[in-house]
Amino acid sequence: KQEVTQIPAALSVPEGENLVLNCSFTDSAIYNLQWFRQDPGKGLTSLLLIQSSQREQTSGRLNASLDKSSGRSTLYIAASQPGDSATYLCAVSNTGKLIFGQGTTLQVKP
Amino acid sequence: GAGVSQSPRYKVAKRGQDVALRCDPISGHVSLFWYQQALGQGPEFLTYFQNEAQLDKSGLPSDRFFAERPEGSVSTLKIQRTQQEDSAVYLCASSLQPQGTEAFFGQGTRLTVV
Repeated sequence: KQEVTQIPAALSVPEGENLVLNCSFTDSAIYNLQWFRQDPGKGLTSLLLIQSSQREQTSGRLNASLDKSSGRSTLYIAASQPGDSATYLCAVSNTGKLIFGQGTTLQVKP
Repeated sequence: GAGVSQSPRYKVAKRGQDVALRCDPISGHVSLFWYQQALGQGPEFLTYFQNEAQLDKSGLPSDRFFAERPEGSVSTLKIQRTQQEDSAVYLCASSLQPQGTEAFFGQGTRLTVV
């Protein structure tokens, strides 16, 4: 059974810092991995999608990497801003449905 | 519409009441998923449709939960005889193809059973 773990559960950093969020999964037979952002009381916003054949994807200040063999992904956020404060969720897909981690709640202090 | 639309945004139900939650996926998206998110947790899979066919309902927690997508677009998640443990946010997502493509989520319906 696929299990997804995110570390840390919560993170607080001063504005401007670079930071890394971690995601690990137990079954490497995945089609893709997706990172989402969730603001309080809102739905999920897709940030990056990495196909199983890819090693990384970049969008603006965000960079996500995927190491399928070790069952790990990282989301790197450069030059963090208070507007980045949210919960970040990673999810893997191997049959179409997504299996989520519990998320990392990020607070960026001005 | 441009995104996945869910209604209502909020629903308060008395224990024992039946509720129906609606999802309008992105036009042309073949796949539609329902997830349940408890407070402070990641979403958990409930059920999956490919067009009008319900291919996976392994995540539905009991036979009180029922979902349909009769014409392959709009979907309804129905919960009969609601109980307090059904209180959660119910999220709908759609994707263009069955596998390997990006999933887009709606804003969710927050269900509170009192």
